[in-house]
Amino acid sequence: QVQLQESGPGLVKPSQTLSLTCTVSGDSIRSGDYFWSWVRQPPGKGLEWIGYIYYSGSAYYNPSLKSRLSISMDTSKNQFSLKLSSMTAADTAVYFCARLMVYAMAFDYWGQGTLVAVSS
Amino acid sequence: SSEVTQDPAVSVALGQTVRITCQGDSLRSYSASWYQQKPGQAPVLIIYAKNSRPSGIPDRFSGSSSENTASLTITGAQAEDEADYHCTSRDNSGYYVLFGGGTKLTVL
Repeated sequence: QVQLQESGPGLVKPSQTLSLTCTVSGDSIRSGDYFWSWVRQPPGKGLEWIGYIYYSGSAYYNPSLKSRLSISMDTSKNQFSLKLSSMTAADTAVYFCARLMVYAMAFDYWGQGTLVAVSS
Repeated sequence: SSEVTQDPAVSVALGQTVRITCQGDSLRSYSASWYQQKPGQAPVLIIYAKNSRPSGIPDRFSGSSSENTASLTITGAQAEDEADYHCTSRDNSGYYVLFGGGTKLTVL
């Protein structure tokens, strides 16, 4: 059974950089069949795609976040990570990691999500 | 860039059929996926590749598409189907993911 688990701080100060890690079990992030992705959801709002990384190391980012965003992977730990800089209150959201099927571009497994609040 | 849009809210009587739609130019080229999300939970994939269902998803959920519109149909809606439904698609470049704004389904 594939499982994804987000980890990271629940509170970030404005202007700081958010760092989140997703630990994958039950599958290898070296698989060429999937992208490893981040999605967020501000309180009471819809879902927003953040970006994804492929086993090759290639990454694609939401253009609205690209200037502040970096997604990386550590195959030795079967983890991938997100760094989002210059955080503001608008970045307060539940952050999900998810597995994205390459051929269908559909998220088939999700982490439970982690709430990140931006506040001084 | 492009976008996909959904109606914010839809209601259906218990046991009746409801269609939830997702519109966008990219849907002329790429199929939509659909997710069900209940409060406090992660989304669950219910339809992908136009009309494929993951294991465990009831067959009352089905997908279809026509031109720039993708549809999720629930045939015989149950009380437990009350949830938010989100669609996704690729954008016109094929590399980026687009989310619709979500549709809140109320089962009366």
